[in-house]
Amino acid sequence: AQKVTQAQTEISVVEKEDVTLDCVYETRDTTYYLFWYKQPPSGELVFLIRRNSFDEQNEISGRYSWNFQKSTSSFNFTITASQVVDSAVYFCALSEESGNQFYFGTGTSLTVIP
Amino acid sequence: EAGVAQSPRYKIIEKRQSVAFWCNPISGHATLYWYQQILGQGPKLLIQFQNNGVVDDSQLPKDRFSAERLKGVDSTLKIQPAKLEDSAVYLCASSTSVASSTDTQYFGPGTRLTVL
Repeated sequence: AQKVTQAQTEISVVEKEDVTLDCVYETRDTTYYLFWYKQPPSGELVFLIRRNSFDEQNEISGRYSWNFQKSTSSFNFTITASQVVDSAVYFCALSEESGNQFYFGTGTSLTVIP
Repeated sequence: EAGVAQSPRYKIIEKRQSVAFWCNPISGHATLYWYQQILGQGPKLLIQFQNNGVVDDSQLPKDRFSAERLKGVDSTLKIQPAKLEDSAVYLCASSTSVASSTDTQYFGPGTRLTVL
């Protein structure tokens, strides 16, 4: 079974629109960590956020915000007023305290059209 | 602070040839990871080192892949012999933790391997 599901394969938005990238995870651990990474065309995975399972507060960082809901096992990522530089593949990932694995979703490719 | 360094950035070889990739983690990071990322997929962990010891290599195809981190700093991943399905980006990552994989991993730029 897929530990991390990113149902949206590709999204296109027009510049300045808001966009939400969905992430649903599956775990039996009570302690776990969720991550978002950005992979621009250059290929390097850029760390965006790390959130532990005990902290359900939403977080905002500039134009980025994250909505963590344990009740629905989701950790969604919203970009407000999107820009062309936001075009990239975004990966959600899960790490469980009980194991050594870092589980990545299949990624969502975001294209921001000028 | 310097990031994770990898070389080469690109490599093209023919099947059955050998290839090696090099990674230098962020200074002071105890844990080093090698991932394989096939086009259109998320990264898949191949091997995890903690200092110079292997923590997890359950998904490393050991008949053809090998990796070492002899002095607990930089690492080399080798494929011998390569197959067409090995075409992928090989990512190296490092983290500070000596305890688990829950720490943030910082990634290098990757090596794009094409096997013809």
